[in-house]
Amino acid sequence: AQSVTQLGSHVSVSEGALVLLRCNYSSSVPPYLFWYVQYPNQGLQLLLKYTTGATLVKGINGFEAEFKKSETSFHLTKPSAHMSDAAEYFCAVSAPRGYSTLTFGKGTMLLVSP
Amino acid sequence: DGGITQSPKYLFRKEGQNVTLSCEQNLNHDAMYWYRQDPGQGLRLIYYSQIVNDFQKGDIAEGYSVSREKKESFPLTVTSAQKNPTAFYLCASSIGSGGGNQPQHFGDGTRLSIL
Repeated sequence: AQSVTQLGSHVSVSEGALVLLRCNYSSSVPPYLFWYVQYPNQGLQLLLKYTTGATLVKGINGFEAEFKKSETSFHLTKPSAHMSDAAEYFCAVSAPRGYSTLTFGKGTMLLVSP
Repeated sequence: DGGITQSPKYLFRKEGQNVTLSCEQNLNHDAMYWYRQDPGQGLRLIYYSQIVNDFQKGDIAEGYSVSREKKESFPLTVTSAQKNPTAFYLCASSIGSGGGNQPQHFGDGTRLSIL
Protein backbone atom coordinates (compact mmCIF):
# COMPACT_ATOMS: atom_id res chain seq x y z
CA ALA A 1 0.00 0.00 0.00
CA GLN A 2 1.16 3.51 -0.68
CA SER A 3 0.63 6.68 1.32
CA VAL A 4 1.45 10.37 1.17
CA THR A 5 2.32 12.75 3.98
CA GLN A 6 2.22 16.49 3.50
CA LEU A 7 3.98 18.32 6.31
CA GLY A 8 2.07 21.37 7.46
CA SER A 9 -1.62 21.89 6.86
CA HIS A 10 -0.93 25.62 6.40
CA VAL A 11 2.14 27.45 5.08
CA SER A 12 2.42 31.24 5.15
CA VAL A 13 4.84 33.25 3.01
CA SER A 14 5.26 36.85 1.97
CA GLU A 15 4.87 37.89 -1.63
CA GLY A 16 8.22 37.43 -3.37
CA ALA A 17 9.47 34.83 -0.89
CA LEU A 18 10.42 31.24 -1.63
CA VAL A 19 7.59 28.71 -1.55
CA LEU A 20 8.40 25.22 -0.20
CA LEU A 21 5.63 22.65 0.25
CA ARG A 22 6.74 19.28 1.56
CA CYS A 23 5.60 15.85 0.42
CA ASN A 24 6.91 12.46 1.50
CA TYR A 25 5.60 9.17 0.20
CA SER A 26 5.62 5.58 1.30
CA SER A 27 5.73 2.94 -1.41
CA SER A 28 7.39 -0.43 -1.94
CA VAL A 29 8.67 0.74 -5.34
CA PRO A 30 9.31 4.25 -6.67
CA PRO A 31 5.86 5.52 -7.61
CA TYR A 32 4.50 8.07 -10.00
CA LEU A 33 4.08 11.42 -8.23
CA PHE A 34 1.82 14.39 -8.85
CA TRP A 35 1.14 17.86 -7.48
CA TYR A 36 -2.29 19.43 -7.90
CA VAL A 37 -3.61 22.88 -6.96
CA GLN A 38 -7.15 23.72 -5.88
CA TYR A 39 -8.66 27.20 -5.75
CA PRO A 40 -11.75 27.76 -3.55
CA ASN A 41 -14.88 25.90 -4.69
CA GLN A 42 -13.13 24.52 -7.75
CA GLY A 43 -11.72 21.20 -8.87
CA LEU A 44 -8.06 20.23 -8.89
CA GLN A 45 -5.64 21.34 -11.59
CA LEU A 46 -2.46 19.44 -12.38
CA LEU A 47 0.72 21.42 -11.63
CA LEU A 48 3.31 18.80 -12.54
CA LYS A 49 4.07 15.08 -12.49
CA TYR A 50 7.03 12.75 -12.19
CA THR A 51 6.91 9.40 -13.93
CA THR A 52 10.39 8.49 -15.17
CA GLY A 53 13.51 10.28 -16.35
CA ALA A 54 14.73 13.61 -15.04
CA THR A 55 14.13 13.94 -11.33
CA LEU A 56 13.65 17.73 -11.44
CA VAL A 57 10.26 18.40 -12.92
CA LYS A 58 9.02 21.79 -14.06
CA GLY A 59 5.34 22.60 -14.04
CA ILE A 60 2.96 25.43 -14.69
CA ASN A 61 2.98 28.85 -13.00
CA GLY A 62 6.71 28.66 -12.21
CA PHE A 63 6.48 25.66 -9.87
CA GLU A 64 8.92 22.78 -9.86
CA ALA A 65 9.50 19.65 -7.80
CA GLU A 66 12.38 17.26 -7.32
CA PHE A 67 12.01 13.51 -6.86
CA LYS A 68 14.50 12.26 -4.28
CA LYS A 69 14.35 8.50 -4.01
CA SER A 70 16.74 8.30 -1.06
CA GLU A 71 14.56 10.68 0.94
CA THR A 72 11.23 9.40 -0.47
CA SER A 73 10.32 13.02 -1.07
CA PHE A 74 8.78 15.15 -3.81
CA HIS A 75 8.79 18.70 -2.43
CA LEU A 76 7.20 21.52 -4.42
CA THR A 77 9.01 24.84 -4.78
CA LYS A 78 8.63 28.23 -6.41
CA PRO A 79 11.35 30.90 -6.18
CA SER A 80 9.03 33.87 -5.72
CA ALA A 81 5.46 33.72 -4.43
CA HIS A 82 2.64 35.71 -6.01
CA MET A 83 -0.65 36.60 -4.39
CA SER A 84 -2.36 34.45 -7.01
CA ASP A 85 -0.54 31.36 -5.67
CA ALA A 86 -2.74 31.34 -2.58
CA ALA A 87 -4.61 28.02 -2.82
CA GLU A 88 -4.58 24.49 -1.48
CA TYR A 89 -1.96 22.11 -2.83
CA PHE A 90 -2.20 18.34 -2.93
CA CYS A 91 0.53 15.77 -3.44
CA ALA A 92 -0.59 12.41 -4.88
CA VAL A 93 1.01 9.06 -5.66
CA SER A 94 0.17 6.08 -7.85
CA ALA A 95 1.83 2.73 -8.33
CA PRO A 96 4.17 2.45 -11.35
CA ARG A 97 2.90 -0.86 -12.67
CA GLY A 98 -0.51 -2.05 -13.69
CA TYR A 99 -3.68 -0.09 -13.12
CA SER A 100 -3.48 2.21 -10.15
CA THR A 101 -5.64 4.85 -8.57
CA LEU A 102 -4.28 8.02 -7.00
CA THR A 103 -3.67 8.32 -3.27
CA PHE A 104 -3.78 11.93 -2.10
CA GLY A 105 -2.17 13.70 0.81
CA LYS A 106 -4.34 15.79 3.10
CA GLY A 107 -3.31 19.03 1.44
CA THR A 108 -1.41 22.17 2.37
CA MET A 109 -3.05 25.57 2.29
CA LEU A 110 -0.64 28.23 1.01
CA LEU A 111 -1.27 31.72 2.36
CA VAL A 112 0.50 34.64 0.68
CA SER A 113 0.68 38.01 2.41
CA PRO A 114 1.54 41.33 0.74
CA ASP B 1 -13.53 23.04 -25.04
CA GLY B 2 -13.20 19.55 -23.66
CA GLY B 3 -13.75 19.02 -20.00
CA ILE B 4 -15.73 17.57 -17.15
CA THR B 5 -19.10 19.00 -16.15
CA GLN B 6 -20.55 18.37 -12.72
CA SER B 7 -24.07 19.37 -11.81
CA PRO B 8 -25.59 20.79 -9.79
CA LYS B 9 -22.95 22.98 -8.13
CA TYR B 10 -24.92 23.01 -4.86
CA LEU B 11 -27.32 20.32 -3.68
CA PHE B 12 -29.41 19.92 -0.58
CA ARG B 13 -30.67 16.62 0.78
CA LYS B 14 -33.38 15.88 3.27
CA GLU B 15 -33.01 13.10 5.79
CA GLY B 16 -33.81 9.69 4.26
CA GLN B 17 -33.57 10.96 0.70
CA ASN B 18 -31.39 9.64 -2.11
CA VAL B 19 -29.74 12.21 -4.36
CA THR B 20 -27.83 11.80 -7.62
CA LEU B 21 -24.83 13.87 -8.66
CA SER B 22 -24.15 14.18 -12.36
CA CYS B 23 -20.74 13.90 -14.03
CA GLU B 24 -20.28 14.20 -17.79
CA GLN B 25 -17.00 14.33 -19.75
CA ASN B 26 -16.28 15.02 -23.41
CA LEU B 27 -12.58 14.15 -23.24
CA ASN B 28 -13.12 10.64 -24.60
CA HIS B 29 -11.49 9.25 -21.45
CA ASP B 30 -12.03 5.63 -20.52
CA ALA B 31 -11.55 5.93 -16.76
CA MET B 32 -13.71 7.97 -14.40
CA TYR B 33 -13.59 8.53 -10.63
CA TRP B 34 -15.59 9.94 -7.74
CA TYR B 35 -13.93 11.52 -4.70
CA ARG B 36 -15.23 12.95 -1.48
CA GLN B 37 -13.42 15.95 0.02
CA ASP B 38 -13.79 17.00 3.66
CA PRO B 39 -11.80 19.85 5.26
CA GLY B 40 -8.35 18.67 6.31
CA GLN B 41 -8.95 15.15 4.93
CA GLY B 42 -7.72 15.44 1.38
CA LEU B 43 -9.54 13.48 -1.30
CA ARG B 44 -10.89 10.01 -0.64
CA LEU B 45 -11.89 7.67 -3.45
CA ILE B 46 -15.52 6.52 -3.48
CA TYR B 47 -15.83 4.57 -6.76
CA TYR B 48 -13.98 4.32 -10.04
CA SER B 49 -14.66 2.89 -13.46
CA GLN B 50 -12.06 1.80 -15.99
CA ILE B 51 -14.50 1.00 -18.76
CA VAL B 52 -18.19 1.16 -19.63
CA ASN B 53 -20.43 -1.22 -17.65
CA ASP B 54 -17.75 -1.89 -15.07
CA PHE B 55 -16.82 -0.14 -11.81
CA GLN B 56 -15.00 -0.85 -8.56
CA LYS B 57 -15.37 0.30 -4.98
CA GLY B 58 -12.85 2.73 -3.61
CA ASP B 59 -11.91 3.35 0.00
CA ILE B 60 -15.25 4.75 1.20
CA ALA B 61 -17.97 3.19 -1.00
CA GLU B 62 -20.49 2.46 1.76
CA GLY B 63 -23.67 4.48 1.32
CA TYR B 64 -22.93 5.33 -2.32
CA SER B 65 -23.77 3.76 -5.67
CA VAL B 66 -22.73 4.44 -9.27
CA SER B 67 -23.47 3.36 -12.82
CA ARG B 68 -21.46 3.55 -16.03
CA GLU B 69 -23.83 2.95 -18.93
CA LYS B 70 -22.12 5.42 -21.26
CA LYS B 71 -18.47 6.31 -21.68
CA GLU B 72 -19.08 9.99 -21.05
CA SER B 73 -21.29 9.68 -17.97
CA PHE B 74 -20.62 8.45 -14.41
CA PRO B 75 -23.42 9.51 -12.02
CA LEU B 76 -23.06 9.08 -8.26
CA THR B 77 -26.03 8.39 -6.00
CA VAL B 78 -25.74 9.28 -2.34
CA THR B 79 -28.17 6.98 -0.59
CA SER B 80 -29.96 7.38 2.73
CA ALA B 81 -27.51 4.82 4.13
CA GLN B 82 -24.76 7.45 3.99
CA LYS B 83 -25.13 8.98 7.43
CA ASN B 84 -22.77 11.89 6.97
CA PRO B 85 -23.13 12.98 3.34
CA THR B 86 -22.27 16.66 3.78
CA ALA B 87 -19.09 17.15 1.72
CA PHE B 88 -17.62 18.44 -1.51
CA TYR B 89 -17.79 15.78 -4.24
CA LEU B 90 -15.33 15.75 -7.13
CA CYS B 91 -15.51 13.77 -10.35
CA ALA B 92 -12.41 13.06 -12.43
CA SER B 93 -11.38 11.22 -15.56
CA SER B 94 -8.17 9.95 -17.13
CA ILE B 95 -6.96 8.57 -20.45
CA GLY B 96 -7.01 4.84 -20.87
CA SER B 97 -8.12 2.13 -18.54
CA GLY B 98 -4.75 1.47 -17.00
CA GLY B 99 -1.39 3.02 -16.26
CA GLY B 100 -0.91 5.05 -13.12
CA ASN B 101 1.18 7.65 -14.97
CA GLN B 102 -1.85 9.33 -16.51
CA PRO B 103 -2.98 12.46 -14.67
CA GLN B 104 -6.60 12.88 -13.73
CA HIS B 105 -8.71 15.79 -14.95
CA PHE B 106 -11.25 17.18 -12.49
CA GLY B 107 -14.65 18.82 -12.63
CA ASP B 108 -15.52 21.81 -10.45
CA GLY B 109 -17.37 19.76 -7.87
CA THR B 110 -20.77 19.54 -6.23
CA ARG B 111 -21.28 20.70 -2.65
CA LEU B 112 -23.87 18.57 -0.88
CA SER B 113 -25.53 19.72 2.33
CA ILE B 114 -28.17 18.25 4.62
CA LEU B 115 -31.30 20.26 5.31
